Amino acid sequence: DAGVTQSPTHLIKTRGQQVTLRCSPISGHKSVSWYQQVLGQGPQFIFQYYEKEERGRGNFPDRFSARQFPNYSSELNVNALLLGDSALYLCASSLRGESRQYFGPGTRLLVL
Amino acid sequence: DAKTTQPPSMDCAEGRAANLPCNHSTISGNEYVYWYRQIHSQGPQYIIHGLKNNETNEMASLIITEDRKSSTLILPHATLRDTAVYYCIVRPGPISGGSNYKLTFGKGTLLTVNP
Repeated sequence: DAGVTQSPTHLIKTRGQQVTLRCSPISGHKSVSWYQQVLGQGPQFIFQYYEKEERGRGNFPDRFSARQFPNYSSELNVNALLLGDSALYLCASSLRGESRQYFGPGTRLLVL
Repeated sequence: DAKTTQPPSMDCAEGRAANLPCNHSTISGNEYVYWYRQIHSQGPQYIIHGLKNNETNEMASLIITEDRKSSTLILPHATLRDTAVYYCIVRPGPISGGSNYKLTFGKGTLLTVNP
């Protein structure tokens, strides 16, 4: 079975622009979480969606938003990009409310 | 979620056992210990989890002290491919109904397996 997939793999944007990152969970998984990982740090939780509803949100500004579609795929949107948004953005899926999460390879975003 | 403390780095010789410690002195009764690892430029990978009994799977063994204030992840025969950052995470166990179950990562331990 295919694992969690994310697109694009790499992205370069300039300050002030907007970006959309995409995630497809493992087939049958209904929950998707998003994490941001800056260089040298562990991943930081941004959002969790389950059955198309937001179930948790980390300490991130309103410039960050997400949604989950009927097929359980998800998008993460970041508006008004700042240099500090440069990071690896990770998507993780899980079956239901379990802590064993399966991570995708991530999207590496560089903001210039 | 309870806070964890891990050494920033460790070395291990190829073929030897790698023992990665984690302190979680504020762990509460319903919290599990989870281990993930992250190989360079990849997403984190689940390794193992446990509540109070020692656990073993095809990847590793998890030893939790009787007072549950610390644990050790054991890779019995480390290979070069085990070089990664290892994260110890303490959080409530499997929750039904899709409740928020975020993982709180620290900085982890960089394990370097040397030939």
